[in-house]
Amino acid sequence: DGGITQSPKYLFRKEGQNVTLSCEQNLNHDAMYWYRQDPGQGLRLIYYSQIVNDFQKGDIAEGYSVSREKKESFPLTVTSAQKNPTAFYLCASSPSQGAGEQYFGPGTRLTVT
Amino acid sequence: QQQVKQSPQSLIVQKGGISIINCAYENTAFDYFPWYQQFPGKGPALLIAIRPDVSEKKEGRFTISFNKSAKQFSLHIMDSQPGDSATYFCAALGEDSGNTPLVFGKGTRLSVIA
Repeated sequence: DGGITQSPKYLFRKEGQNVTLSCEQNLNHDAMYWYRQDPGQGLRLIYYSQIVNDFQKGDIAEGYSVSREKKESFPLTVTSAQKNPTAFYLCASSPSQGAGEQYFGPGTRLTVT
Repeated sequence: QQQVKQSPQSLIVQKGGISIINCAYENTAFDYFPWYQQFPGKGPALLIAIRPDVSEKKEGRFTISFNKSAKQFSLHIMDSQPGDSATYFCAALGEDSGNTPLVFGKGTRLSVIA
């Protein structure tokens, strides 16, 4: 059963704590992406990776960090430096950077209080 | 120049009516225009896509109309159903796609009422 998995679906953290969101894909895709979704803001790109051990900042990378040690995994860490971390986070992948179709995971809703 | 402007932000349509969502872009290097559908609490999924070599693409009740000279494209949902109620995103990808990921519009929340 191929696809993208994100865990957990809901995550709660106290302000000042770092938190890591998981994203795994078994589609053998080269490119992976992290988006943040807030009401009325659409999908804002946080980070993306075209290949293992390489990644680029998106439009709103401040306060976030990523790693790409394995092709199938692209975890996102929301650091304490992110001023408004409460949001819905979506991970996606595509066969390559130039492929138009992105496949999205089910998302993780992070709430920081 | 990398933006895709989407309108309206929200849309209410009667069951059986036609839903129309519009998008506009500036970058003439864009050459792939997909639409994504997202249900509440779920990730978006590709609905339909078009390349600029055709002016229209139809899949079931969903049609993309593309106007290259006006740099606009739109999604038409015929015979809209309550199950179509979702958020729709247009997007665009350019010739330099090796360096620039998919650019998304801000989304349209569609509500189809009986």
